Amino acid sequence: GAVVSQHPSWVICKSGTSVKIECRSLDFQATTMFWYRQFPKQSLMLMATSNEGSKATYEQGVEKDKFLINHASLTLSTLTVTSAHPEDSSFYICSARYNSYNSPLHFGNGTRLTVT
Amino acid sequence: QQQVKQSPQSLIVQKGGISIINCAYENTAFDYFPWYQQFPGKGPALLIAIRPDVSEKKEGRFTISFNKSAKQFSLHIMDSQPGDSATYFCAASSNTNAGKSTFGDGTTLTVKP
Repeated sequence: GAVVSQHPSWVICKSGTSVKIECRSLDFQATTMFWYRQFPKQSLMLMATSNEGSKATYEQGVEKDKFLINHASLTLSTLTVTSAHPEDSSFYICSARYNSYNSPLHFGNGTRLTVT
Repeated sequence: QQQVKQSPQSLIVQKGGISIINCAYENTAFDYFPWYQQFPGKGPALLIAIRPDVSEKKEGRFTISFNKSAKQFSLHIMDSQPGDSATYFCAASSNTNAGKSTFGDGTTLTVKP
C-alpha cells in the first residue's frame, strides 16, 4: 500500500516553455504533499509544502511564480515549472503523507527534467 | 537547530558485513526518525522508522539504534548484500515547523560481492 505515482518520469523541453509534473497518491488520501529538488549526489532540497485546498508554502529562495504548485484534491498535486531555463534542469521528487508529521513520507519515483 | 548531521558520506562494505550509518540532531523537539533508501534514478522509500520511546527497532536485517540523551540514531544493516547498495538518508521531524522533515545529507553504500 501507500503508493505515490509521479508523472512523467522524464521530460525534455525547450527553454521558455512550461512543464507540468503530476503527483498522485493512488491508495490513500494525502493531507500533505511535498515537492523536492535533488541535485546529483546531494540530499533532498524541499521546495514547497502543499496542503489540499490551500496555497502552497514555499521555502525561502524558491520562486513561487516560477514553480506553481496546485493541490486540488487529496490525491493530486501538480508542480508547473514555468518559462523553464537550463538551470531548472534537475530531478524533481514529490512525497505524500496521509497522517500527521510522525507518519512516513511516501515518495514518487521522481521526474528528470532537462531544459535545452 | 533544524540540522541533521549524517555520517559517513560514503561507505564500502564486503558482502556479509555490517553497515553502520550514523545521524545526530540538535532539535530536542524531533520525535520521529525514519530512514529512507534511494536507488539511482528513483525516489526514496521508507526503510524503517523509530520513535524516541524505544531505544532500538529491528526489521529483518535492518536495525535502528536510538540514543535520546546523546541525540543520535544509527542504522545497522546486518549481512549486507550487493542489493543493499544505495543511498541512505536519515530524517527527523516534529509537530513544529509545519511537520516538515529534515534530511541528512545521505550516505552512499556500496556492498562488494
